[in-house]
Amino acid sequence: GDSVTQMEGPVTLSEEAFLTINCTYTATGYPSLFWYVQYPGEGLQLLLKATKADDKGSNKGFEATYRKETTSFHLEKGSVQVSDSAVYFCALSTSMNSGYSTLTFGKGTMLLVSP
Amino acid sequence: EPEVTQTPSHQVTQMGQEVILRCVPISNHLYFYWYRQILGQKVEFLVSFYNNEISEKSEIFDDQFSVERPDGSNFTLKIRSTKLEDSAMYFCASSEIRGENTQYFGPGTRLTVL
Repeated sequence: GDSVTQMEGPVTLSEEAFLTINCTYTATGYPSLFWYVQYPGEGLQLLLKATKADDKGSNKGFEATYRKETTSFHLEKGSVQVSDSAVYFCALSTSMNSGYSTLTFGKGTMLLVSP
Repeated sequence: EPEVTQTPSHQVTQMGQEVILRCVPISNHLYFYWYRQILGQKVEFLVSFYNNEISEKSEIFDDQFSVERPDGSNFTLKIRSTKLEDSAMYFCASSEIRGENTQYFGPGTRLTVL
């Protein structure tokens, strides 16, 4: 079945450091890919998405490129801030037989940014 | 900005008891979902709901679980007889357009079964 694998956390960085969180997937067909973020005490918020190969999703300085050849969707940010400390989830959408879609998530990667 | 809300934020119950988790999806959304996350594990799909019936459900969603939209705003998940392994964070989500599948999530309800 479909699956998403993320790098283990926590990832600990100093402010203004470069961030990469790796995400690879296994899927039949052509899924859409997502990054969700969960700040402490809050729900899952959509951070960015890409719906087809070579698309780049971007938001709030974060970006990720849908790489079909490597089945990857790595999250990057050039300069992290303390306020970016959160758990980041990579996910893909899976079309069910009815045409309806559900989300398959990775385990999540905690990011801790220190001043 | 509209958001999905969930109540309660934390529910503690005894094994064997029934619990109802409540969600208010975004008002113009038509598709509703429940997911759960057992501590330290992945967020897992439970069920999707459209037009007052279940669209899809995972193998986790057995006869102990049920969902309902009792009125025009609430969407509930009922666990009939809770087990220790039901302890998890339960997330509700909603989306507007079939296939586009940008799902908007609530803050979650942490269920603890003792």
